[in-house]
Amino acid sequence: AQKITQTQPGMFVQEKEAVTLDCTYDTSDQSYGLFWYKQPSSGEMIFLIYQGSYDEQNATEGRYSLNFQKARKSANLVISASQLGDSAMYFCAMRGFSGGYNKLIFGAGTRLAVHP
Amino acid sequence: NAGVTQTPKFQVLKTGQSMTLQCAQDMNHNSMYWYRQDPGMGLRLIYYSASEGTTDKGEVPNGYNVSRLNKREFSLRLESAAPSQTSVYFCASSGRRDRMREKLFFGSGTQLSVL
Repeated sequence: AQKITQTQPGMFVQEKEAVTLDCTYDTSDQSYGLFWYKQPSSGEMIFLIYQGSYDEQNATEGRYSLNFQKARKSANLVISASQLGDSAMYFCAMRGFSGGYNKLIFGAGTRLAVHP
Repeated sequence: NAGVTQTPKFQVLKTGQSMTLQCAQDMNHNSMYWYRQDPGMGLRLIYYSASEGTTDKGEVPNGYNVSRLNKREFSLRLESAAPSQTSVYFCASSGRRDRMREKLFFGSGTQLSVL
């Protein structure tokens, strides 16, 4: 079975500093994809970044980067130079082919608060 | 660009009442999903539809039914609402099922309270 674990229910960071949000996963699939989504207080789900299991380099999208450590089965999100607008819930998600279809499953989320 | 449209945005039901959540996407996506979001539990998959005419159960299907009416529309029905179904419901869609990097596009959510 596939599982995503986010062990940090809440995180605080000072504005302009970097922060790492942890995500570990469990899967028996050889090919899988890892995603991060942001959910601000308004409620919508915003896609941030994607990492494929066979991608050789860590994914980056602007201030977001994904620290992918395949052997440790971790896919941590790094936000550089935090901004007040980064305050939100962050969800790690995984897609694999277990069960015959590549569904996306989510972790419980981490609430990030950015302080001025 | 509408994307994924969910209705209604808010709903209050009494225990035992029924209702249908509507979802439509205009991106010509094959796959559609219904998730529920509860505090501390993230998003859990209720049902999904890999293509028009097919539906499958997700993690938490009990108490729900779905209909993939056509390629655009995927509805979620609560036949007899229970307080445990109080949650925020999200509809989502994605394109090609064989593309691992295909991300989900989400609707804005429906906040449902069952009293």
